[in-house]
Amino acid sequence: AQSVTQLGSHVSVSEGALVLLRCNYSSSVPPYLFWYVQYPNQGLQLLLKYTSAATLVKGINGFEAEFKKSETSFHLTKPSAHMSDAAEYFCAVYVGGANSKLTFGKGITLSVRP
Amino acid sequence: NAGVTQTPKFRVLKTGQSMTLLCAQDMNHEYMYWYRQDPGMGLRLIHYSVGEGTTAKGEVPDGYNVSRLKKQNFLLGLESAAPSQTSVYFCASSRSAGRSYNEQFFGPGTRLTVL
Repeated sequence: AQSVTQLGSHVSVSEGALVLLRCNYSSSVPPYLFWYVQYPNQGLQLLLKYTSAATLVKGINGFEAEFKKSETSFHLTKPSAHMSDAAEYFCAVYVGGANSKLTFGKGITLSVRP
Repeated sequence: NAGVTQTPKFRVLKTGQSMTLLCAQDMNHEYMYWYRQDPGMGLRLIHYSVGEGTTAKGEVPDGYNVSRLKKQNFLLGLESAAPSQTSVYFCASSRSAGRSYNEQFFGPGTRLTVL
């Protein structure tokens, strides 16, 4: 079965600083990987996805993530944080097959300091 | 397109009461899902449906029932609510699943409190 690990529950950065949110996955077959963002009191919105094409994936709002098979990682980065980036971020994995499900990590809350 | 909508947005129940959460999608998606979100737990799948008239259990199905009588609607029922079911519930839909993954679109959520 697949799983996702997001270490830590909270990350705080200054406005303009690099954002790095870590995600490691476990899967016995090549996975699809996703980052979702949830703004306060809203549903989840897809930020970006890896589906076995390019390993560096660009998403919305200036975010990107790199799939590294050797490290089983899919870390999310943004060069310069903006106040509007404050939200909860979820990494998720999907491996396909008849009964496969989207498996979410526990989420990381990103705070941005002025 | 409204996308995925959920009603109600908020609800407070007493232990033992019942209620139904309604999810509707206007994207003609085959697959629909119910998740619950709890602090520090991420999203966990309760039940899902791969098409009209079919449902299946997810990771945490106990205490919930679902029905998919129409393709566009997916209902989540709590027959006898318990405080452990206090959570935020999200519905999602996708065009299909299997190996050709399609993005899941999420509704805005229903915040349920069971006293």
